[in-house]
Amino acid sequence: DAKTTQPNSMESNEEEPVHLPCNHSTISGTDYIHWYRQLPSQGPEYVIHGLTSNVNNRMASLAIAEDRKSSTLILHRATLRDAAVYYCILRELSGGSNYKLTFGKGTLLTVNP
Amino acid sequence: NAGVTQTPKFQVLKTGQSMTLQCAQDMNHEYMSWYRQDPGMGLRLIHYSVGAGITDQGEVPNGYNVSRSTTEDFPLRLLSAAPSQTSVYFCASSPLHRGQNQPQHFGDGTRLSIL
Repeated sequence: DAKTTQPNSMESNEEEPVHLPCNHSTISGTDYIHWYRQLPSQGPEYVIHGLTSNVNNRMASLAIAEDRKSSTLILHRATLRDAAVYYCILRELSGGSNYKLTFGKGTLLTVNP
Repeated sequence: NAGVTQTPKFQVLKTGQSMTLQCAQDMNHEYMSWYRQDPGMGLRLIHYSVGAGITDQGEVPNGYNVSRSTTEDFPLRLLSAAPSQTSVYFCASSPLHRGQNQPQHFGDGTRLSIL
């Protein structure tokens, strides 16, 4: 699996936007970019995914660089409930049956009231 | 909606004891998997299954057994617990038929301590 690099930690204030970066310089053309988050004492939770175009859903937006070597998860208005570890994961869309998610250490987001 | 249910939530074992961690999902998902998470680290895949009767090893399978007799259940067995297996265990599931980009649904974990 291609590798991703994320900052260990980031801090934000409540109700402000948060931009969580992820570098993936060895991404291949068939790799999708997925984001999960893990709230304290809970299992990971799917946030969003994309391939080339920017994506929006009710939780967040995903901005993907034109060369696809980096992406940014955007939380438009951080709340205290968004404090979590955020994982950027590359998934190869292959014909096999391996649905494995390869988790790194992620970014610990702290949201200040 | 129940989603993915893991039991027990907490367990303390002595070295050498055996136990089974239960995982059940009510979404009719073909794919199920087990991960472990150690302090300060990401999740690592132990075993996975793509359907009833089919299982395969993940990244860290040693010391663990699995079976999949029904679509709903995917238990993880520790045959002889060791202190190195102290961890938080997560079960996950997702549908297969709509492709590998389907979100995976995780349970809330079982916190296991081996003394």
